[in-house]
Amino acid sequence: KNEVEQSPQNLTAQEGEFITINCSYSVGISALHWLQQHPGGGIVSLFMLSSGKKKHGRLIATINIQEKHSSLHITASHPRDSAVYICAVRSSAGNKLTFGGGTRVLVKP
Amino acid sequence: DAGITQSPRHKVTETGTPVTLRCHQTENHRYMYWYRQDPGHGLRLIHYSYGVKDTDKGEVSDGYSVSRSKTEDFLLTLESATSSQTSVYFCAISGTSGYEQYFGPGTRLTVT
Repeated sequence: KNEVEQSPQNLTAQEGEFITINCSYSVGISALHWLQQHPGGGIVSLFMLSSGKKKHGRLIATINIQEKHSSLHITASHPRDSAVYICAVRSSAGNKLTFGGGTRVLVKP
Repeated sequence: DAGITQSPRHKVTETGTPVTLRCHQTENHRYMYWYRQDPGHGLRLIHYSYGVKDTDKGEVSDGYSVSRSKTEDFLLTLESATSSQTSVYFCAISGTSGYEQYFGPGTRLTVT
């Protein structure tokens, strides 16, 4: 079993819909990261969080440390949100990240 | 954007040849990482560095070596490339505080 599991693997939405991506992990962590990878390949850090909730524009990330679970929400989705979203956790022990397999999101106009 | 460049951006090489990929940063960050990304596996850590001449192995280090002789450069070497090393390679950096990682643009390596 992978240490970091994402669901769903693929998601298709219509423009304007609310999107939720889930990330579950099995180890103790010091932080969780959400990353975005566009079709061109570049990887961008969206959020780093260790508790509670963060918001940036139409993106919201939440984490529940007790349940070892995080969600990334996209409100009012737009075709430009089409990308792969990757969850990664930093273990309590060090500075290395362990990555989930990614969720491929397609937003249709 | 964090100042990270990777070179080359694309490379095709033959099995058995040595290959060196370069990661260059202008942020003076302490930590540097090399990852590979493959379908079905996500990103996996190859090696990382926590300072000049200080490196350690990641989860998929076999067949790779690294060197960091100065803060801004982290080199990944495939001593004898194999087809299983065909992948997209990403470099990343992070500072000593915050731990947020910034990724380079990636290098697509094909070993024929």
